[in-house]
Amino acid sequence: NAGVTQTPKFRILKIGQSMTLQCAQDMNHNYMYWYRQDPGMGLKLIYYSVGAGITDKGEVPNGYNVSRSTTEDFPLRLELAAPSQTSVYFCASSYMGLSGNTIYFGEGSWLTVV
Amino acid sequence: EDQVTQSPEALRLQEGESSSLNCSYTVSGLRGLFWYRQDPGKGPEFLFTLYSAGEEKEKERLKATLTKKESFLHITAPKPEDSATYLCAVQASRGYQKVTFGTGTKLQVIP
Repeated sequence: NAGVTQTPKFRILKIGQSMTLQCAQDMNHNYMYWYRQDPGMGLKLIYYSVGAGITDKGEVPNGYNVSRSTTEDFPLRLELAAPSQTSVYFCASSYMGLSGNTIYFGEGSWLTVV
Repeated sequence: EDQVTQSPEALRLQEGESSSLNCSYTVSGLRGLFWYRQDPGKGPEFLFTLYSAGEEKEKERLKATLTKKESFLHITAPKPEDSATYLCAVQASRGYQKVTFGTGTKLQVIP
C-alpha cells in the first residue's frame, strides 16, 4: 500500500546545478501535483497534471519543469538551482470525481541549495 | 482570490483539555473544505472533507464542522499523540486543480 512515493528524501545542491525529484503513485489517480512548503507559508502549487501528457502551471512555476508520460509518474525538474528553491517539496495525487478531489501527499523531499 | 486563514497559529493544551481550531475562508463557490494533519518531517495526512454548511464529520477525538464562512476542528480530551500541525484547505467549484491551503495551527498536547 505505497500511495505516493517520492525520492530522494534529502538533497543538497550547489547553485546552478540541476536535478530531478521523482514521484510515483500506485492509486491510479488521474491528477498529480507538486507543491512546495516554506516555513510559515501555506503549501504552494508549482505544477499539476490532469492526466498523462497534460501538465499546467500552478502558482509558483518559475525555475521548474515537469513531464507526465505515464499515469503513475510525475517528475519535477529543477534547472539552474537557486537559493530561493531551498524548500520542502511534496508530490501529491488525487482522483477527480463527482464527490470532490481529496489530495493525498507523499512524504516530502527536503532540498537545500547552497 | 481564494483565501484561507487559520487561528491560532499555535496552541498548547494539557492532556484532556478540549479546544477548537478555526479555519476562516473566502472562496467563490465551495466545492470542498479539507482538513489535514502534518507531523514533523512528514507529508500532510488527510483527515476530513466537508462539502456543505452544516455538515459534520468525526474521527476518534476529532470533529470537523462547516459553516458558510468557517470551519472548526474540535479536539475532545486530546492526548499527546494528537500533537501535530493541522492544515485547512478549500477547493473552489471552478477549476478543480485549485486548492488553497492555510498556514496551519501547530498543536502541542502536554501530558
